[in-house]
Amino acid sequence: ETGVTQSPTHLIKTRGQQVTLRCSSQSGHNTVSWYQQALGQGPQFIFQYYREEENGRGNFPPRFSGLQFPNYSSELNVNALELDDSALYLCASSLGLAGPTYEQYFGPGTRLTVT
Amino acid sequence: DAKTTQPNSMESNEEEPVHLPCNHSTISGTDYIHWYRQLPSQGPEYVIHGLTSNVNNRMASLAIAEDRKSSTLILHRATLRDAAVYYCILKGRRAETSGSRLTFGEGTQLTVNP
Repeated sequence: ETGVTQSPTHLIKTRGQQVTLRCSSQSGHNTVSWYQQALGQGPQFIFQYYREEENGRGNFPPRFSGLQFPNYSSELNVNALELDDSALYLCASSLGLAGPTYEQYFGPGTRLTVT
Repeated sequence: DAKTTQPNSMESNEEEPVHLPCNHSTISGTDYIHWYRQLPSQGPEYVIHGLTSNVNNRMASLAIAEDRKSSTLILHRATLRDAAVYYCILKGRRAETSGSRLTFGEGTQLTVNP
């Protein structure tokens, strides 16, 4: 059973550019969530995808968007990058819409630096 | 989401038990208590969860107060590998809108001394 993988590991972008981060969910998991973790803070929920549709969104602007593919892998896209977007971006997968007893499996994250 | 309160940091010695507290005085009757931890340079990993009764698994034990307003994560014999940030999270039955959403606080940084 493969775990959650993310690519790339690190990324440096310039303010105003666009970025795409990728995530492969754990085998059999059809739900993917994305989180942003600033230095020294806990992860903050961006949004979740279930069966290729967005299902729940945190307090992030529309320039944060995503996709989920039929194989349940996912992309996070961020347009018009700002310096404050510098963070660790985490992907987590789970089975179904994950009731209160389900656990989530996190990937190692992508470290994005915006200069 | 109901709020949790944890100490910013704790220290322990290797091979000794560690008790990590969490206060959640506004917990609702259907909220489960989850613990995740985040090792350095890694994503969070699930540790344990419970509703009312104390729970044990291979990683840790979870002791839940009778009034459910607080809980304690217990590592029975800390190792250097247990040095991490530990997050206490409440998760309720809101699958129709927030599904898997986890609301993280700042957690407790556990330092394990050799």
